[in-house]
Amino acid sequence: DTGVSQNPRHKITKRGQNVTFRCDPISEHNRLYWYRQTLGQGPEFLTYFQNEAQLEKSRLLSDRFSAERPKGSFSTLEIQRTEQGDSAMYLCASSLSTKADTQYFGPGTRLTVL
Amino acid sequence: SQQGEEDPQALSIQEGENATMNCSYKTSINNLQWYRQNSGRGLVHLILIRSNEREKHSGRLRVTLDTSKKSSSLLITASRAADTASYFCATDAGGDKIIFGKGTRLHILP
Repeated sequence: DTGVSQNPRHKITKRGQNVTFRCDPISEHNRLYWYRQTLGQGPEFLTYFQNEAQLEKSRLLSDRFSAERPKGSFSTLEIQRTEQGDSAMYLCASSLSTKADTQYFGPGTRLTVL
Repeated sequence: SQQGEEDPQALSIQEGENATMNCSYKTSINNLQWYRQNSGRGLVHLILIRSNEREKHSGRLRVTLDTSKKSSSLLITASRAADTASYFCATDAGGDKIIFGKGTRLHILP
């Protein structure tokens, strides 16, 4: 499968715990995006990378959130001290273009914070 | 904040009928995209239309863009049960990223 993959697909955690999600983009894509989606809403932009450089972070991304793409390939999104309001679907997408062009999405990681 | 606003929020039609959903946006764009999301899954890119294009077709999909009205429409002809999904428009007004609307939930009745 050469599409975007995300792991885990589901994560249940207790409030206050840290969680980390992984995204493996399509191999030749240099752009990688993270989004958060809650029920009944569209995806909300969190951050994106051009190769290993993190170029933009949304105001939605509090200090508890951190993302990395160390070698310009896979990326991780970590949430520290999770809160119930962090419960959402976290989506990763990648694209080849340097412009706001077609993005290819992974299946998402559904986070439930108890 | 979300740039695009889809209308209607929800739509139910009989299988075989055509489905039309609209998207309005606020600021100038270079392109507009439509994505589909089946229940609880990732998004699938359907079609991209650039600001200098007025209409684009892909299979049973027809997208129009009116930059003077800052609006786009997605028409799905001869709907099928598999078309049941949420449909989102996304615009590039945010620079190098795209901004999604809240989506239209389409339900195809047998």
